[in-house]
Amino acid sequence: AQSVSQHNHHVILSEAASLELGCNYSYGGTVNLFWYVQYPGQHLQLLLKYFSGDPLVKGIKGFEAEFIKSKFSFNLRKPSVQWSDTAEYFCAVIVSGSARQLTFGSGTQLTVLP
Amino acid sequence: EAGVTQFPSHSVIEKGQTVTLRCDPISGHDNLYWYRRVMGKEIKFLLHFVKESKQDESGMPNNRFLAERTGGTYSTLKVQPAELEDSGVYFCASSHLTGRTEAFFGQGTRLTVV
Repeated sequence: AQSVSQHNHHVILSEAASLELGCNYSYGGTVNLFWYVQYPGQHLQLLLKYFSGDPLVKGIKGFEAEFIKSKFSFNLRKPSVQWSDTAEYFCAVIVSGSARQLTFGSGTQLTVLP
Repeated sequence: EAGVTQFPSHSVIEKGQTVTLRCDPISGHDNLYWYRRVMGKEIKFLLHFVKESKQDESGMPNNRFLAERTGGTYSTLKVQPAELEDSGVYFCASSHLTGRTEAFFGQGTRLTVV
């Protein structure tokens, strides 16, 4: 069965710092990749997704992620974080051709200090 | 467009009692998923409906959990009898049946079994 690893459990940054959250998956076939975010007290919402094409994907709020197939990775980046980016971030995978249920990583709590 | 709605937002019950969680998906979404996050762990898939039919319930922990989706609209997830290890946040998500669409999540129901 596929799995998703997020290497950082909790990341603390100051405002304007750059962010990179790691995500690796274990599945050799075709996958769809997602980053979801959960702000305090809110529902999970999609930041960005990759299905095919350009491996550099841009999402909402200045986030981007790069799919590197050879490394089975889909790291999330943002050049300059804001206090409002404080949230929990989840990487997730759908195996192509499956029933399309998401397999999630364990999540990374990002705290941005003002 | 109304989002995915879950009710209740919180539930505290005693071990051995019964609890029913409800999910109203986005109108027109044939796919409906239940997920659960036990504290400190990753969000895990429970089951998947397409309209009123269960497509995959491989993630259901045991036979104390029963999910239904009446008429292919809202869904309920009943836990009977509840055990301490059932505590966690239960998420519902819905999506269109076809196309490259992501799943939209509800805010979750936080279940605490004491």
